[in-house]
Amino acid sequence: NAGVTQTPKFQVLKTGQSMTLQCAQDMNHEYMSWYRQDPGMGLRLIHYSVGAGITDQGEVPNGYNVSRSTTEDFPLRLLSAAPSQTSVYFCASSTRQGGDTEAFFGQGTRLTVV
Amino acid sequence: AQSVSQHNHHVILSEAASLELGCNYSYGGTVNLFWYVQYPGQHLQLLLKYFSGDPLVKGIKGFEAEFIKSKFSFNLRKPSVQWSDTAEYFCAVNLANSGGYQKVTFGTGTKLQVIP
Repeated sequence: NAGVTQTPKFQVLKTGQSMTLQCAQDMNHEYMSWYRQDPGMGLRLIHYSVGAGITDQGEVPNGYNVSRSTTEDFPLRLLSAAPSQTSVYFCASSTRQGGDTEAFFGQGTRLTVV
Repeated sequence: AQSVSQHNHHVILSEAASLELGCNYSYGGTVNLFWYVQYPGQHLQLLLKYFSGDPLVKGIKGFEAEFIKSKFSFNLRKPSVQWSDTAEYFCAVNLANSGGYQKVTFGTGTKLQVIP
C-alpha cells in the first residue's frame, strides 16, 4: 500500500516557468489537499477537493490551480512561478467522515524558484 | 475563524528530560485535535488524536496529550525524551461532527532538539 505519492521530490524553476506537482493516493480517499510549508508559518492550505470534479480554495490559493478528474489524482499547477512560491509542498488525503479523520501526507516536494 | 497557537517555536532538551509542548486553539465549538510529527527530511505523521471521550490521549512512542476544554488547550507531553524524538511537532484542529469536509488548521510548529 503506497499511501500518498508525490512527484517530483525536488524541483528548481526559473521565474515565469510553469510546472505541475503530481499527487496520487491509493486509499480511495475522497478528500485531498495541498499545503505549503514555510519556516515559522506551519502548513497553509492552498487548495482542496472533496471528491472527483469538486475543488475549492484554501488559505493561500493565488498562483496555483488544481483539478480533480479522478479520485486518485490531485495535481497542483503553478502557472507562472515566482520566488515567493519557493517552499515545501505537501499533498494529503483523508476519508470524508466529518471532521474526525486523520490526514495522510505525501513525502513532499521541495520547490525552489530562482 | 479557527486558529492554533504553538508558543514554543524551538525547544532544546537533554535526553531523559521531560517534555511539554503547548497548543492552544481558538474556536467555541466542538473540535477534533491532532498532533503530527515531522522527522528531519520526512513527511508529517500522526502522533495522536482526540475526537471524544477520555481527555487524556495516548499516542505512539510514549507521547500523550491532554485536552482541557476550559483552557482550549491540547498540550503534548512525554516523560523522558530520546535523541530520536528530534523533530518538528505540529498541533492541528478541525471542527467536529459538522458533516461534510472540515478544514484542518495547523499551528506554526515547534522544533524539538534533543541533545544526547
